[in-house]
Amino acid sequence: DAGITQSPRHKVTETGTPVTLRCHQTENHRYMYWYRQDPGHGLRLIHYSYGVKDTDKGEVSDGYSVSRSKTEDFLLTLESATSSQTSVYFCAIRDRMNTEAFFGQGTRLTVV
Amino acid sequence: AQKVTQAQTEISVVEKEDVTLDCVYETRDTTYYLFWYKQPPSGELVFLIRRNSFDEQNEISGRYSWNFQKSTSSFNFTITASQVVDSAVYFCALSDGNQGGKLIFGQGTELSVKP
Repeated sequence: DAGITQSPRHKVTETGTPVTLRCHQTENHRYMYWYRQDPGHGLRLIHYSYGVKDTDKGEVSDGYSVSRSKTEDFLLTLESATSSQTSVYFCAIRDRMNTEAFFGQGTRLTVV
Repeated sequence: AQKVTQAQTEISVVEKEDVTLDCVYETRDTTYYLFWYKQPPSGELVFLIRRNSFDEQNEISGRYSWNFQKSTSSFNFTITASQVVDSAVYFCALSDGNQGGKLIFGQGTELSVKP
């Protein structure tokens, strides 16, 4: 199994509070991704990274920011959580563009 | 711009039936990569196959086969003699060669195989 860990696995937070999700890899892969999964929408890309300090927006980046200061860590921050950000969040890593991505176990975030 | 469309939201079949899951993609690049993933009820995402834009050979792996057609921008997935264990959500994904590694997914097709 690819060495990828998401933390926390579950979180309940209140509207308006900041939240940070962490994705940690031990594979030294170049690319890292954050997705959210909601019923009827599949996996939607939030942000991705193609190297340390190199990030770009995905399809649904509003309300989210990311940082990658080390190869192994990719942080997703909800600056002020809203109920519409209740979702399951998946992190993925990929070595090269022509290889498959490996996914973390997911983080279930509930904003109340 | 990249786009992946899986028009079939849900499919229900009876065990031993064959089933095809459709995937249509859009990209301006000549170099790109296509993938299929499976998400069983337990929730993890499992990689099934990768195909690059220069390789239009169809592939068979046991009961699974994939049909890649650049002329119709499609990468369809067929399960032959389906089994209950095939019940899952299946995702098609696309990565362009010039988008900094961007990887996007379709909406997914939920397959239910009934005994």
